Amino acid sequence: DGGITQSPKYLFRKEGQNVTLSCEQNLNHDAMYWYRQDPGQGLRLIYYSQIVNDFQKGDIAEGYSVSREKKESFPLTVTSAQKNPTAFYLCASSNRHTGPYEQYFGPGTRLTVT
Amino acid sequence: KQEVTQIPAALSVPEGENLVLNCSFTDSAIYNLQWFRQDPGKGLTSLLLIQSSQREQTSGRLNASLDKSSGRSTLYIAASQPGDSATYLCAVTGGYQKVTFGIGTKLQVIP
Repeated sequence: DGGITQSPKYLFRKEGQNVTLSCEQNLNHDAMYWYRQDPGQGLRLIYYSQIVNDFQKGDIAEGYSVSREKKESFPLTVTSAQKNPTAFYLCASSNRHTGPYEQYFGPGTRLTVT
Repeated sequence: KQEVTQIPAALSVPEGENLVLNCSFTDSAIYNLQWFRQDPGKGLTSLLLIQSSQREQTSGRLNASLDKSSGRSTLYIAASQPGDSATYLCAVTGGYQKVTFGIGTKLQVIP
């Protein structure tokens, strides 16, 4: 089955700790994205990557970091510099080279920082 | 900067009713518009994608239309069922494949 997996589903951390969220896809998509979702707000783009070893900041990149060493994987690290890290994090991918650039989403990771 | 607005924010209808969800966007230079469904605590499921050159797409009881020049899309759900209860999100893909989402319409279908 092709798709996107995110792990873990729930993550709890103490304030001041860095935490890494996993995102893996087997759709052979070049482009991958990380979004953050908060109650009452639309999805906001954190980082995106259109190709291996390249990524760009989205609208709310401060306090986050990513890497794209493999086509299939796009992990997101939430650092201690992120002021309000508690949120629902969604990973997505799309085919960069051909339209219609349909986005496919993973099941999400809910991060709680106390 | 692209902005996407969805109206209404919430909607409650009795089972069997036909309903329309609205989405508007400010920049008409888009590649596509997607409608998603999100159940509580879950990821997004793609329902329909309309390319910029298309006017509508249909899947089962769902029909989505796109009027790019006026910056509007509608999602029509026929004969609503309790299982349709979810949040429906609209998203547009613009330059550099950047995707902008609306906040969503929370739909409740009452048995």
